[in-house]
Amino acid sequence: EDQVTQSPEALRLQEGESSSLNCSYTVSGLRGLFWYRQDPGKGPEFLFTLYSAGEEKEKERLKATLTKKESFLHITAPKPEDSATYLCAVTPGGYNKLIFGAGTRLAVHP
Amino acid sequence: GAGVSQTPSNKVTEKGKYVELRCDPISGHTALYWYRQSLGQGPEFLIYFQGTGAADDSGLPNDRFFAVRPEGSVSTLKIQRTERGDSAVYLCASSLTGANEQFFGPGTRLTVL
Repeated sequence: EDQVTQSPEALRLQEGESSSLNCSYTVSGLRGLFWYRQDPGKGPEFLFTLYSAGEEKEKERLKATLTKKESFLHITAPKPEDSATYLCAVTPGGYNKLIFGAGTRLAVHP
Repeated sequence: GAGVSQTPSNKVTEKGKYVELRCDPISGHTALYWYRQSLGQGPEFLIYFQGTGAADDSGLPNDRFFAVRPEGSVSTLKIQRTERGDSAVYLCASSLTGANEQFFGPGTRLTVL
């Protein structure tokens, strides 16, 4: 069964304290792995797509990496405005739907 | 440019009633998706349209749920005989084709009393 597990469920950081969020997946033929950011009361906002093991993508303070079993979202020197829920999702081979994890709630305090 | 829009933003209904939720995708996007998100959970896939046809409806929980996209643009999710367990945020997303990243709307919060 296709499945996505994210850890930790919640993370509290001080401003400037770098950390990583984990996304472990089991999927039949990975077509793509996606990271989204979701603010309270809003829809998910697209961040990155990764397609193959070894691939990395960066955007401002965020960097996403992919292996054959998991993906990491590295946050370097976070700011309070990075506080949000970060969602990981996969698309199985032969499908277009996204299968999401439950997310990691990140709180960055000044 | 304009993103995905959804109406209404909030809908409160009584158990047993019929509701319709509307989604306007990004102009030119041929693929449209509906998801449902419960509190503290990630979105759960319901149905995927490519053009006017439902290419994958495997996520619809039962026959009370139905969706249409008659002209390949706007889509309507229809829920008959609503139950309290249907309460959730219903999200719509669109993508340029079925293989591209999906862009989400703000969602419709449905509350069934």
